[in-house]
Amino acid sequence: DAGVIQSPRHEVTEMGQEVTLRCKPISGHDYLFWYRQTMMRGLELLIYFNNNVPIDDSGMPEDRFSAKMPNASFSTLKIQPSEPRDSAVYFCASSPPGGFAYGYTFGSGTRLTVV
Amino acid sequence: AQTVTQSQPEMSVQEAETVTLSCTYDTSESDYYLFWYKQPPSRQMILVIRQEAYKQQNATENRFSVNFQKAAKSFSLKISDSQLGDAAMYFCAYRSVYLRDDKIIFGKGTRLHILP
Repeated sequence: DAGVIQSPRHEVTEMGQEVTLRCKPISGHDYLFWYRQTMMRGLELLIYFNNNVPIDDSGMPEDRFSAKMPNASFSTLKIQPSEPRDSAVYFCASSPPGGFAYGYTFGSGTRLTVV
Repeated sequence: AQTVTQSQPEMSVQEAETVTLSCTYDTSESDYYLFWYKQPPSRQMILVIRQEAYKQQNATENRFSVNFQKAAKSFSLKISDSQLGDAAMYFCAYRSVYLRDDKIIFGKGTRLHILP
């Protein structure tokens, strides 16, 4: 099993540009989570999906952020336009059916730097 | 809403010694899961150990064990025979068993330093 795959690993972009982060969950996992990690705020849940349907997006900071899951094997998190305060590590994680008994499996994260 | 508190931002321990990381949580639910995650400098989040709330027995995984005190809502992690590779950020986490709230809540983390 390849685990949760995120790309890119690092992203440096200029303020105002569009940024797209990508995630491939583990096959068979029906939950997918996007987290943001910063020194000040720790790990924040942005949004999560169950069976490709967004369940809770209350953590999405503002309209500049959007997430999609067009199928069971792919999700994107988009920031448009990006701002320096969006600089953080963004994690994707997935969890199997009945997954409350399990922790998540995390991807390696994308370190985003907005200059 | 559930909360998870880790009151020790940083800790240090001598190699081969034992260290305990503290975690408390707040919930009105009677059944849930608790986890400890490790984040080394590589930033990969690794599940270390998990505990089911309805089980009295404390979970153990090799050198890692927990002290789960349900009434006190306390969930500490003990690392025995500390090794240099244990240096990392450790996160305590809570997950509800109710599908209406099926997400993990993380504490702020404790950074553990291992002194050679």
